[in-house]
Amino acid sequence: EAQVTQNPRYLITVTGKKLTVTCSQNMNHEYMSWYRQDPGLGLRQIYYSMNVEVTDKGDVPEGYKVSRKEKRNFPLILESPSPNQTSLYFCASSLRNPHVLTFGAGSRLTVL
Amino acid sequence: EDKVVQSPLSLVVHEGDTVTLNCSYEVTNFRSLLWYKQEKKAPTFLFMLTSSGIEKKSGRLSSILDKKELFSILNITATQTGDSAIYLCAVLRLIQGAQKLVFGQGTRLTINP
Repeated sequence: EAQVTQNPRYLITVTGKKLTVTCSQNMNHEYMSWYRQDPGLGLRQIYYSMNVEVTDKGDVPEGYKVSRKEKRNFPLILESPSPNQTSLYFCASSLRNPHVLTFGAGSRLTVL
Repeated sequence: EDKVVQSPLSLVVHEGDTVTLNCSYEVTNFRSLLWYKQEKKAPTFLFMLTSSGIEKKSGRLSSILDKKELFSILNITATQTGDSAIYLCAVLRLIQGAQKLVFGQGTRLTINP
């Protein structure tokens, strides 16, 4: 089944403890992106990647890192999480252009 | 600054009613407008609109784009409880040679039996 898989789906952590949210897609998509969703603010882009080894900042990149060493994987790294990074995170991918995105199921992160 | 504004933010109706959701935008280098439906999990794609005045239809859902007045509407007729979801509008624009999606805040639609 064609899909985007994120892990973990739920995570509660403490301020400053590094964490990684993994994202993997099995559709050979070139484009991948991370979004965060907060009440009243909609989906805001954190980082995106047009292809392997090509990444760029979205609208809210502060406090996050990404890497794209393989086409299928696009992990999101929070080096030192803070409470304002408590949010629902979505990974998404598309064949080339970022329009008809396929989304992962979401990762709900709480930073205490 | 890019703006995509959806209205209303929240809507509660009874099963069988018809609803109209709105999405207005102010972006440069517009390419297309997309609608997604988000139930409990991941947003799923509904429509992509590129040309003005051409209605896209899927069952009880339909959508149309007005590029002159810079808005789109999503209509749902004969609503069912399964239509309860957040509906997201997103605009695709071209910026520095790359395409970028800008999302609105979403409309939370609740259908009561």
